[in-house]
Amino acid sequence: SQQGEEDPQALSIQEGENATMNCSYKTSINNLQWYRQNSGRGLVHLILIRSNEREKHSGRLRVTLDTSKKSSSLLITASRAADTASYFCAWNSGGYQKVTFGTGTKLQVIP
Amino acid sequence: EAQVTQNPRYLITVTGKKLTVTCSQNMNHEYMSWYRQDPGLGLRQIYYSMNVEVTDKGDVPEGYKVSRKEKRNFPLILESPSPNQTSLYFCASSKGTGARTNEKLFFGSGTQLSVL
Repeated sequence: SQQGEEDPQALSIQEGENATMNCSYKTSINNLQWYRQNSGRGLVHLILIRSNEREKHSGRLRVTLDTSKKSSSLLITASRAADTASYFCAWNSGGYQKVTFGTGTKLQVIP
Repeated sequence: EAQVTQNPRYLITVTGKKLTVTCSQNMNHEYMSWYRQDPGLGLRQIYYSMNVEVTDKGDVPEGYKVSRKEKRNFPLILESPSPNQTSLYFCASSKGTGARTNEKLFFGSGTQLSVL
């Protein structure tokens, strides 16, 4: 399988705290993306980082990419109850057509 | 409103009864794809299409068929469903080809399929 893994599988934090999720993948990539999924609903794109970038910000989101370690992390700062969701990393490789998803991190933010 | 529309939202069927899950996008996207989501396994790609009449297998294509006769539609066909195809299915699309393919996927709301 070309799937990577996300760590932790589940994370529970208090509102206001920061949440960090990690993603590891197995192949060389063109870019890596993070998606959010609210319980059983469709995924929503959050942020994309290209293979030649090391860090990217979008609002309360900060993404890092280390291609030498084949890993990425997503940091959500000052979390809110509305951030409760599952978060998935995804990357494309293999001639651009394939998009592979990680196994996801389930985040619970307690008010 | 830009969107990917999947139907039906829920589907219960019996083993062997052919079914089709429809997917339509109104963004003139070239790339479309189907995924299944199972607990602990994340999303796995079933089939994808780079453009009209161009389709290819993903990681788990067995038991599924697709067609891309029009740019906006990408139906998923289960000729003879089996219980191991019980899953949550998502259709997704993105614009562009080549290096820009898959830059941002837009997802449908999902189809929860139960095969008895």
